Order: sequence, then C-alpha cells, then structure tokens
Amino acid sequence: EVQLVESGGGLVQPGGSLRLSCAASGFSFSSYWMHWVRQAPGKGLVWVSRINSDGSSTTYADSVMGRFTISRDNAKNTLYLQMNSLRAEDTAVYYCARAGGLYCISTNCYDYFDYWGQGTLVTVSS
Amino acid sequence: DIQMTQSPSTLSASVGDRVTITCRASQTISDWLAWYQQKPGKAPKLLIYKASSLESGVPSRFSGSGSGTEFTLSISSLQPDDFATYYCQQYNSYWTFGQGTKVEIK
Repeated sequence: EVQLVESGGGLVQPGGSLRLSCAASGFSFSSYWMHWVRQAPGKGLVWVSRINSDGSSTTYADSVMGRFTISRDNAKNTLYLQMNSLRAEDTAVYYCARAGGLYCISTNCYDYFDYWGQGTLVTVSS
Repeated sequence: DIQMTQSPSTLSASVGDRVTITCRASQTISDWLAWYQQKPGKAPKLLIYKASSLESGVPSRFSGSGSGTEFTLSISSLQPDDFATYYCQQYNSYWTFGQGTKVEIK
C-alpha cells in the first residue's frame, strides 16, 4: 500500500524557517517524481514544487522561488521541503504528492498526482 | 500561466441526481487534465486523469470528458459519499488547479 506521511509543520514567526519531511513507503520511491502542494485555510489547492526521481531537477512556483528548496533522500525514502524567509501568506496545510502517469515527449513531461499524504499544517504568525 | 476556471462554485443536489461540473482552461491544454475529490480535513483523491481516464478503484458513476480548453466531470447518480469539493487540474504546463466546486446536499 502506498503511504506518504508528512511531518515537521508547526508555528513559526515571520522570517523564520521550517523543514518539512514526507516519508514514503509501499512503492519504489526512487523511481518517482514528487511534488509539494499547499492549501491555505478555507482556500484551494496550489502547487508549490516538484523534484525528479534522482533529485537532479527541481521546479518551483514563483511565489516560493528563492525561499523554498525541495530535496530528497532516496536511501531514506524521504522527500523534504526547506522553507526559509516564511511569510504569513505561507500559512497552509502542506501536502506531498506522488507524480503518477509520468509521460515524457522530448523535453516535455506530463504528470498528475496519484497519491497524497495527509498533510502537515504550517502557521506563520507572530 | 494557465488559469483554470470551474463552474459552478457551489452546486446543491440530491442523492440520485446527475451532476456536471465544468472546467475551462485559459489556453489549450490538449487532454492533460485531472480531477480530484476532497472531503473536509482530508487529502485530495485522484478521480480522473488525461481528461477521461478513470483512476483504478474509482466508481464508474464518475466520468470525465473534453479536450482543448473545455472539460466536464459528471457523476451519473450522486451518492451520499460524493458530497465533497471537486478540483480540476491542468498539467500541460506546470500544474494549476481550478478554484473548486463544492457539491452540497440540497
């Protein structure tokens, strides 16, 4: 059974840092691209970041570029999101998600999110 | 950036009703579209990918259609477990979600 379990959320002051983890099990973690998605309280889903299977390629939403860093440790089956210079607008539940149905044509790749973790809440407030 | 617009934002329906949700993309996305269901306090769940492909284990009352810029999610006979919020997502260029459609009990 595929399982994704996030941890590391909590209350942090504006300007502070936090590192989220996502422990994966039930599948070959090193073979899959992975994503982080967030959802502010009462709001919709927003994609945050993506990492390829070996960690050599990363992509970020404009809103977090330069502040957040996605990484992975395939030996530990764990995905990370390092969040620095946190702002009030970063307050959200953060989900990790597995990239499903990855299909690449030339330099273009397409994937959706087939499994999600339960989420971890990050609150940025003084 | 590709914007996704869902309609309606809220839908009131009864058990047994046929329900249709529309999702429009700001530019063509071929059929790189997924639909998710989310219940309060829970993670989203994949229902449909590539516009019309049903994810394994998802009941056949769910169906998706469309290509280009206009897409629909249909539920043929609404069940009590289907009252939830539904999101479309394009994955043609990066990943963008619609604002969600809440299906509530009439």
